Amino acid sequence: GAGVSQSPSNKVTEKGKDVELRCDPISGHTALYWYRQSLGQGLEFLIYFQGNSAPDKSGLPSDRFSAERTGGSVSTLTIQRTQQEDSAVYLCASSLAPGYQETQYFGPGTRLLVL
Amino acid sequence: DQQVKQNSPSLSVQEGRISILNCDYTNSMFDYFLWYKKYPAEGPTFLISISSIKDKNEDGRFTVFLNKSAKHLSLHIVPSQPGDSAVYFCASYEYNQGGKLIFGQGTELSVKP
Repeated sequence: GAGVSQSPSNKVTEKGKDVELRCDPISGHTALYWYRQSLGQGLEFLIYFQGNSAPDKSGLPSDRFSAERTGGSVSTLTIQRTQQEDSAVYLCASSLAPGYQETQYFGPGTRLLVL
Repeated sequence: DQQVKQNSPSLSVQEGRISILNCDYTNSMFDYFLWYKKYPAEGPTFLISISSIKDKNEDGRFTVFLNKSAKHLSLHIVPSQPGDSAVYFCASYEYNQGGKLIFGQGTELSVKP
């Protein structure tokens, strides 16, 4: 497709389980970003990739969160031992090049609910 | 510490009138600003941006104004249409800090026919 895609669109899990969220960026976009939006809040930066490396992981809330990107394309965000406060919409974005003043294009998000 | 603030969680406007959405920021190193629009169950969509070297940028019905001394920007939509009803997010890049966007909390705009 032409846009950023994310899967699954919805995920319900039990506290303590691990989850994997996937992002397919726009073809040719070298930069990829993960954000999350908790209920009633703005978007919170988690991590960004330039190619397969992550120059900025400063937004990852704890060591239960990790992300990787392979082949300069698909990225996976993994949350281990999920907690109820992890419930949020996880949004992925990509841009043609890394760095500021580049427009970021967002996917539809994965809605995660931890029971 | 909320570096980008949208103090109005919601705004209701009559169709055809002007909608004004406001955003304040605290970090003087912010020098590029964007507005995104978000419909329910969709990701945010880029709307318009402005660099700190300008004080106004216009694109059709949408105009963004930047007041650097007040650390304030606003988005004007004229005339407002029912299809503009969405959540609007203000966001900023910090100079030389890569691609990390800092977002405000959003303002939900409702345009009534």
